[in-house]
Amino acid sequence: DTGVSQNPRHKITKRGQNVTFRCDPISEHNRLYWYRQTLGQGPEFLTYFQNEAQLEKSRLLSDRFSAERPKGSFSTLEIQRTEQGDSAMYLCASSLASRRGATDTQYFGPGTRLTVL
Amino acid sequence: GDSVTQMEGPVTLSEEAFLTINCTYTATGYPSLFWYVQYPGEGLQLLLKATKADDKGSNKGFEATYRKETTSFHLEKGSVQVSDSAVYFCALMQNSWGKFQFGAGTQVVVTP
Repeated sequence: DTGVSQNPRHKITKRGQNVTFRCDPISEHNRLYWYRQTLGQGPEFLTYFQNEAQLEKSRLLSDRFSAERPKGSFSTLEIQRTEQGDSAMYLCASSLASRRGATDTQYFGPGTRLTVL
Repeated sequence: GDSVTQMEGPVTLSEEAFLTINCTYTATGYPSLFWYVQYPGEGLQLLLKATKADDKGSNKGFEATYRKETTSFHLEKGSVQVSDSAVYFCALMQNSWGKFQFGAGTQVVVTP
């Protein structure tokens, strides 16, 4: 168990460019989450996958954002036509669905810090 | 909507001092409550959790009790160490698969 990994750790891009981030969850974790964290704030939920199905999306996730989780393993988050307001830390977390009604424990990756110039 | 409010930081303490970080929440129903910690350069780590009223979560000398009557989940530690310097986040989750609602975080700085 190597934990949740995210790549790249840092990304600097120019406004208008597209960027893609990758998250590798803990193996066998069937749930995967994306959050965004801006300076001085707590993480904000963006989207959630159970296996390969994207089950919920925040209204924070504009149509420039898209997330995928092919085959229910790693996930990618793409931002098209980046804007300066997209600058943030993008966090990924994973969990293993436990027995019905029990609360999952989410394990977070170190994040990808995006800077849009 | 649901929300979490934490005391603002930074909180600066001397080693072996008592630490309290206040956390209150607004939510419908009966959320689960969590404290996560983020050490410099690392991801968020679960510190402790409580899933129902009057539950006490504890880990590494930290404790927090789920108080429904005051909608609070204050974090305490009796004797802090320099290694406890980090940002602490209070969070709630409304259902078992959870999307978290996090507070803004409280930075704690412990000096020797």
